[in-house]
Amino acid sequence: AQTVTQSQPEMSVQEAETVTLSCTYDTSESNYYLFWYKQPPSRQMILVIRQEAYKQQNATENRFSVNFQKAAKSFSLKISDSQLGDTAMYFCAFRLGGSQGNLIFGKGTKLSVKP
Amino acid sequence: DAGVTQSPTHLIKTRGQQVTLRCSPKSGHDTVSWYQQALGQGPQFIFQYYEEEERQRGNFPDRFSGHQFPNYSSELNVNALLLGDSALYLCASSFRRGMNTEAFFGQGTRLTVV
Repeated sequence: AQTVTQSQPEMSVQEAETVTLSCTYDTSESNYYLFWYKQPPSRQMILVIRQEAYKQQNATENRFSVNFQKAAKSFSLKISDSQLGDTAMYFCAFRLGGSQGNLIFGKGTKLSVKP
Repeated sequence: DAGVTQSPTHLIKTRGQQVTLRCSPKSGHDTVSWYQQALGQGPQFIFQYYEEEERQRGNFPDRFSGHQFPNYSSELNVNALLLGDSALYLCASSFRRGMNTEAFFGQGTRLTVV
């Protein structure tokens, strides 16, 4: 069985600074995807970034980047130049490859960006 | 493109009652998955529908059932409601043959059981 662990229930960062959210996962599979989702107070889960396990290069989307350490089963999210609109719950998620299988989520990290 | 739409947005039910939640997938998507998100937790997978059949199921009792219609929309039914069923219910749609496509989520239905 696959598991996803987020060890930081809450974090805060000053506007314009950088913050890193941690995620570890456990699986015996080699083909999988990892995701970071953002859930603002509007409740809608929004995909922030995705990483295919077979890719060694870390994914980047504008101010968002990941540090994917496959051997350590670690998948952290770095947010640069934090903005007030980044305030939200952030969920790390895992999905097996080769299918539209279900997502397995961590418990989330509540990020507050302070002005 | 309307994205994934769910109805209703909020619902209050009494313990023991039955409830039906509805989801319309994003245009072009053929697969619908349902998740339960308890307060302060990450979403938990309930089940997934494709071609009007349940394809995968998470660790939820038979009180949770679903249906997918020919137009790909879906319903989640919960019978004999318990207080512990109070949660945000999220629907996600995707395109099954697009193995690498992402899932899009709706805004959820907040169910309160009293």
